Amino acid sequence: DQQVKQNSPSLSVQEGRISILNCDYTNSMFDYFLWYKKYPAEGPTFLISISSIKDKNEDGRFTVFLNKSAKHLSLHIVPSQPGDSAVYFCAASGLEKAGTALIFGKGTTLSVSS
Amino acid sequence: GAGVSQSPSNKVTEKGKDVELRCDPISGHTALYWYRQSLGQGLEFLIYFQGNSAPDKSGLPSDRFSAERTGGSVSTLTIQRTQQEDSAVYLCASSSQRGYNEQFFGPGTRLTVL
Repeated sequence: DQQVKQNSPSLSVQEGRISILNCDYTNSMFDYFLWYKKYPAEGPTFLISISSIKDKNEDGRFTVFLNKSAKHLSLHIVPSQPGDSAVYFCAASGLEKAGTALIFGKGTTLSVSS
Repeated sequence: GAGVSQSPSNKVTEKGKDVELRCDPISGHTALYWYRQSLGQGLEFLIYFQGNSAPDKSGLPSDRFSAERTGGSVSTLTIQRTQQEDSAVYLCASSSQRGYNEQFFGPGTRLTVL
């Protein structure tokens, strides 16, 4: 029973356009959400996060949107760059503090072509 | 500064053998996590250490899996009598109390059980 779902295994976007990666969750106790980026043969690296008290968090080219009523979040990358090509994992936790295991989705592979 | 390191980077073993995987967290991080990623899957939580508290072992898939953390720093994940389904990338992460669950991952150990 997956609590965090990334229904699109892959996404292809042209350089300069917007990339939108989606994530759905089922557990209403989740109150903190994170996006990680992973290159081959490397560990995931933290990208951006959002607390459930917010509906948007922005960091440079990356923006995360949270729709609590729909239990849905999305990551927008604009403009997309070839270096953004990687696997993106959505993750959630039940408490906004260190010490809670993250529940991950299966990931979406983003390919940005030049 | 040094990030999370793991060794070995790759491990090939025969079914039934025991293996030990090592993790060196970021200095000063009190929380340490083990996850694994099987082929085509997201990251699956295994075990969590926080300071001197008893570890949260709720994610360990069987009693063949164990982990320890000596001196609040280095951790070793041990898999006894390995099975083919244990083949995965084993990832270690650490975080600080101030990190609001931003976990920093190591590069992982790819375990292949023949």
